[in-house]
Amino acid sequence: KQEVTQIPAALSVPEGENLVLNCSFTDSAIYNLQWFRQDPGKGLTSLLLIQSSQREQTSGRLNASLDKSSGRSTLYIAASQPGDSATYLCAVSPTGNQFYFGTGTSLTVIP
Amino acid sequence: NAGVMQNPRHLVRRRGQEARLRCSPMKGHSHVYWYRQLPEEGLKFMVYLQKENIIDESGMPKERFSAEFPKEGPSILRIQQVVRGDSAAYFCASSRQQETQYFGPGTRLLVL
Repeated sequence: KQEVTQIPAALSVPEGENLVLNCSFTDSAIYNLQWFRQDPGKGLTSLLLIQSSQREQTSGRLNASLDKSSGRSTLYIAASQPGDSATYLCAVSPTGNQFYFGTGTSLTVIP
Repeated sequence: NAGVMQNPRHLVRRRGQEARLRCSPMKGHSHVYWYRQLPEEGLKFMVYLQKENIIDESGMPKERFSAEFPKEGPSILRIQQVVRGDSAAYFCASSRQQETQYFGPGTRLLVL
């Protein structure tokens, strides 16, 4: 069964800093991987989707990488802002249907 | 183009009652997924449906839980005889094919 781990569980950084969030998964046979953001009491917002054949995806200040062979993905956030404060979730899908989620990294960006 | 809609946003039930959670997918999406987020835990997949068909229900508890996605109308997640352990946030997501899943705001169920 696929297990998804996110480290660290919580992270606090000063505004303007670049940061990296880590995600690891136990089964490299994945169809795609998706990074989400969840604000307190709210739903999930999709940030980036990486297909298994891709190595990275970029959107604005966000860059996500995927290394299937080692079972790792990273989410890089450049020039962090207080509005980036949220919980970031990594999810992997073996078939393109159901996702297995990590427990998230809670990010606080201090003004 | 409205996003995924879920209602109610908050639902309070007493033990033994039934809970019905509704999900309207994004326009043009025929794939619906239900996930549950228990307090202090990650999201767990429950069920995947296409119009009128359950494709994968491997994450659904064996008893009291059922889901449907009729030809017309929203997808329904039904929990019979709720217990306190059912208290959680229930999220619905939709997609076209095996693409990005778009999530709704969730229904927060509280069982008293």
